[in-house]
Amino acid sequence: DTEVTQTPKHLVMGMTNKKSLKCEQHMGHRAMYWYKQKAKKPPELMFVYSYEKLSINESVPSRFSPECPNSSLLNLHLHALQPEDSALYLCASSPISGGRKSNQPQHFGDGTRLSIL
Amino acid sequence: AQTVTQSQPEMSVQEAETVTLSCTYDTSESDYYLFWYKQPPSRQMILVIRQEAYKQQNATENRFSVNFQKAAKSFSLKISDSQLGDAAMYFCAYRSSNYYSAGGTSYGKLTFGQGTILTVHP
Repeated sequence: DTEVTQTPKHLVMGMTNKKSLKCEQHMGHRAMYWYKQKAKKPPELMFVYSYEKLSINESVPSRFSPECPNSSLLNLHLHALQPEDSALYLCASSPISGGRKSNQPQHFGDGTRLSIL
Repeated sequence: AQTVTQSQPEMSVQEAETVTLSCTYDTSESDYYLFWYKQPPSRQMILVIRQEAYKQQNATENRFSVNFQKAAKSFSLKISDSQLGDAAMYFCAYRSSNYYSAGGTSYGKLTFGQGTILTVHP
């Protein structure tokens, strides 16, 4: 069982729809991440939240809108997506620490498979 | 910026045999972490093994071990006694040791290689 839960597992939406992806973790991690992954490619970082504040936005189009309402929950709001946005969207979390105590890896969810019609 | 290179797009191995996946990286940092993640068709990214750059001893986890050569910036993964369940895409990843690295822009970012698809033949 994964410790990072993502819902839904699959999502099909039209280009004019508005939908949201949800990610939840209860490991007490204060860093959460959204990645986009195309088939047979590595994950591409989209956003990083640290202590519920947006720390990194990797020049992601505004049709993707992240939200971190509390330390356990991370959302990704989708609006007016394009066919090229079809991909696997992965959420991950990790502790925030520095130096030689920061060897904890990111924990990934199972992802949401998104298809844009 | 750090880069990670996996030069083998695909590898195959017979069940019960040993296979080695290669990974090289480039960084100017002296302290960092390296990871191997496995992604089976079920799609969840699963941590296989981690290595702290300040440790000279190579990490091992059961059938999985690494050959970490810091001077050569090489981090290969050896899978012994390969099993059908090892078939997956394997990603090598780099992360700075500090969540807030020099310049404050790391935020725990992982830099991934392009991945190696491992096929295990029965």
